Formats: sequence, C-alpha cells, structure tokens
Amino acid sequence: GAVVSQHPSWVICKSGTSVKIECRSLDFQATTMFWYRQFPKQSLMLMATSNEGSKATYEQGVEKDKFLINHASLTLSTLTVTSAHPEDSSFYICSADELMSSYNEQFFGPGTRLTVL
Amino acid sequence: GDSVTQMEGPVTLSEEAFLTINCTYTATGYPSLFWYVQYPGEGLQLLLKATKADDKGSNKGFEATYRKETTSFHLEKGSVQVSDSAVYFCALSGGGTSYGKLTFGQGTILTVHP
Repeated sequence: GAVVSQHPSWVICKSGTSVKIECRSLDFQATTMFWYRQFPKQSLMLMATSNEGSKATYEQGVEKDKFLINHASLTLSTLTVTSAHPEDSSFYICSADELMSSYNEQFFGPGTRLTVL
Repeated sequence: GDSVTQMEGPVTLSEEAFLTINCTYTATGYPSLFWYVQYPGEGLQLLLKATKADDKGSNKGFEATYRKETTSFHLEKGSVQVSDSAVYFCALSGGGTSYGKLTFGQGTILTVHP
C-alpha cells in the first residue's frame, strides 16, 4: 500500500512552453502533498505544500506564478511549470501525507525528469 | 531554521563491512527524525524513523538512535550487502510552522562491492 505515482516520468520540452506534472496517491487519501526539486547530486528542496481545496504554500524563493500547483482532490495534485526555461530543468518529486497517518509519514513518487531545451 | 548535515560521500564498502553514515541536525522544539533510501531509478522510501529522544529506529538490519544531547541520528548497519547500494537521506520533520515539512540532508551515495 501507500503508493504514489507521477506522470510523466520524464519530459523534454522547448523553452517557453508549459509542462504539467501529475502526482497521484493510488491507494490512500492525502491531506497534504508536497513538491520537491532535486538537482544533480544534491538534496531535495521543498518547493511548496498543497492541501486539497486550498491554495498552495510556497517556500521562500519559489515563484508561485512560475510553478502553479493545483490540488483538486485528496488523491491528485498537479505542478505546472509555466513558460519553462533551461534553468527549470531538474528532477521534480512529489510526496503525499496519508490522511490517517499519526506521525506524518510522507510517501514519495518516483520523480519526473524535466529537460527544457 | 531547521537543517540537517550528513557526512559527505560517496561511501564505498565491501560486502559484509560495517556501515556508519553520520547525521546531525539543528531544529527548534522536538523534531521527528527519519532516514530515507533512494534506490537507482526509484522514489524515496522511508527506511526508519524515531519520534522522540532515545528512540531507536530499525529496519532491514539498519539502526539509528535519536540522540538529543548530541543532536545526532547516525545510521548503522553491521553487515552491508550489494543490494544496499543506494542514496541515503537523513531528514527531520519539525514542529510549529514547520509541522509536517521535511528538511533533508544532502544525501550519501553508498556503493557496496561483492
């Protein structure tokens, strides 16, 4: 149980286009979903926290108009990278906090590799 | 703010060797501490956790003890296997306004040779 999927697993796009990444909790409901960015050989950096039905909370330095997050249901959150540029190329990872968990365990998706040409 | 510092890698060991990956943290209040593992091509998986001082988390032969006095949560395994080759992340989940958010260390790449 507690499986989180991401789609797509990798995407290549042209500079200036927008890319949508989906994060789904497959067998549980998630009160909160988190979006991280991971640079090569570096740690995960939290970008934003999203709660179902409300606006996402962005970490300092993350452009909310650049990285649009929608959390439409207890099992789906989407991250849209708008007007992508090469510096947005990265590995994006989502995680979901299970509704019934008593100690805030987060379950992670496999990640999405974004390459902007 | 909260922070986690892991020993720098990569770490290369022979099979059946003893493993220690150091992790220290800075946090306000009483954070929960975690070790996550990322196998090649896969997402992060929770390896073990400890939620209060002196707790010992253990799983798959790995252990880590929450040491409040030294603000540490070192990961150990007595005899590593080739299948343990992965990236290991120490993390904490703080309280207050940081409740539920994970702060990660930089990750340690472990390679185990036969």
